[in-house]
Amino acid sequence: DGGITQSPKYLFRKEGQNVTLSCEQNLNHDAMYWYRQDPGQGLRLIYYSQIVNDFQKGDIAEGYSVSREKKESFPLTVTSAQKNPTAFYLCASTGPAEPQHFGDGTRLSIL
Amino acid sequence: QQQVKQSPQSLIVQKGGISIINCAYENTAFDYFPWYQQFPGKGPALLIAIRPDVSEKKEGRFTISFNKSAKQFSLHIMDSQPGDSATYFCAASIEYNTDKLIFGTGTRLQVFP
Repeated sequence: DGGITQSPKYLFRKEGQNVTLSCEQNLNHDAMYWYRQDPGQGLRLIYYSQIVNDFQKGDIAEGYSVSREKKESFPLTVTSAQKNPTAFYLCASTGPAEPQHFGDGTRLSIL
Repeated sequence: QQQVKQSPQSLIVQKGGISIINCAYENTAFDYFPWYQQFPGKGPALLIAIRPDVSEKKEGRFTISFNKSAKQFSLHIMDSQPGDSATYFCAASIEYNTDKLIFGTGTRLQVFP
């Protein structure tokens, strides 16, 4: 079955630590996205990538970094510069004229 | 101008009732309006979508009503069931430009037996 796999499902970060969230898709989609979801604030775009080796900042990119070395993979690193990282992180992908398909998210908490 | 305003924030409906969630937008360039359904611990899943060339779209118990002049659209869930209890997000974008998908803030729906 085609889909988007996010891992891990739960992640804990210590102060000053960088952590990386994984997102893999086998839908052959060119475009991939990272969103942050906080209660009462909907989904906010962190970064997106329309092709391999290229990505753009979304609305809340500060404290985050991404890479897109393969079409299938779009990992998100939450750096120590992100002072309020506790949230539910969602990865999505899309193809031409398709709606965005989402993974089941990673919940990040601070130890 | 990029915002999509969604209301209510939460909604409690009795089984068999009608659930109504409303969204409003400002950007007249938006021409694709999807609704997503999200269960706890899961990612959002596309429920139904509409384009402004029609005023209503129905899929089973779910209907989108669209008012282009008022720049408003709404989701109606007929014969609401406990299994419909979830968070619903409206969104808007300019077609073929899905990197600009703008989400509403979500409505938590609870359907009681």
